[in-house]
Amino acid sequence: EDQVTQSPEALRLQEGESSSLNCSYTVSGLRGLFWYRQDPGKGPEFLFTLYSAGEEKEKERLKATLTKKESFLHITAPKPEDSATYLCAVQGENDYKLSFGAGTTVTVRA
Amino acid sequence: DTAVSQTPKYLVTQMGNDKSIKCEQNLGHDTMYWYKQDSKKFLKIMFSYNNKELIINETVPNRFSPKSPDKAHLNLHINSLELGDSAVYFCASSQSGKSYTFGSGTRLTVV
Repeated sequence: EDQVTQSPEALRLQEGESSSLNCSYTVSGLRGLFWYRQDPGKGPEFLFTLYSAGEEKEKERLKATLTKKESFLHITAPKPEDSATYLCAVQGENDYKLSFGAGTTVTVRA
Repeated sequence: DTAVSQTPKYLVTQMGNDKSIKCEQNLGHDTMYWYKQDSKKFLKIMFSYNNKELIINETVPNRFSPKSPDKAHLNLHINSLELGDSAVYFCASSQSGKSYTFGSGTRLTVV
């Protein structure tokens, strides 16, 4: 069974203080690793899909990287509007479903 | 235009009642899903339909019954609601497992 573990569970940052979130995974053949952002009372909002080890993707202050065992989401010089729960999910080779981690809740203080 | 829309957004009901949640997508995707998010924010797959055919049916009590009248709609009916069914239910759609898009969720509270 696919497994996803995210750490830390919660992260409190000062505005401008860069940091990284970790997503460790086990899957029998990776079709894709997904990062989503979820705000309170809303559905997950798509950020990135990574497909193979060594791949990197960037969007504004966020950068996602992938190895064979884990993915990192780097937040550079965060702003208060980056406060949210960040969810990581994997999709197996022949799967349609996503298997999610429990998320990391990021709070950025001004 | 909302890509994946669910109704209702909030649902408060008594134990033992039967309720339905509806979902519609206008993305032209071929696959739709129901996910459950518990109080600890953990999202877990429940069901999936591909072109109206059930392809994923995780270990879920048979009080939960999905129905897909066509590719753009997926409904979830729950019989004999229990306190433990309280959660947020998310509908999602994809094109053969790609371009996953989630709805905004239905918060179900059973009292």
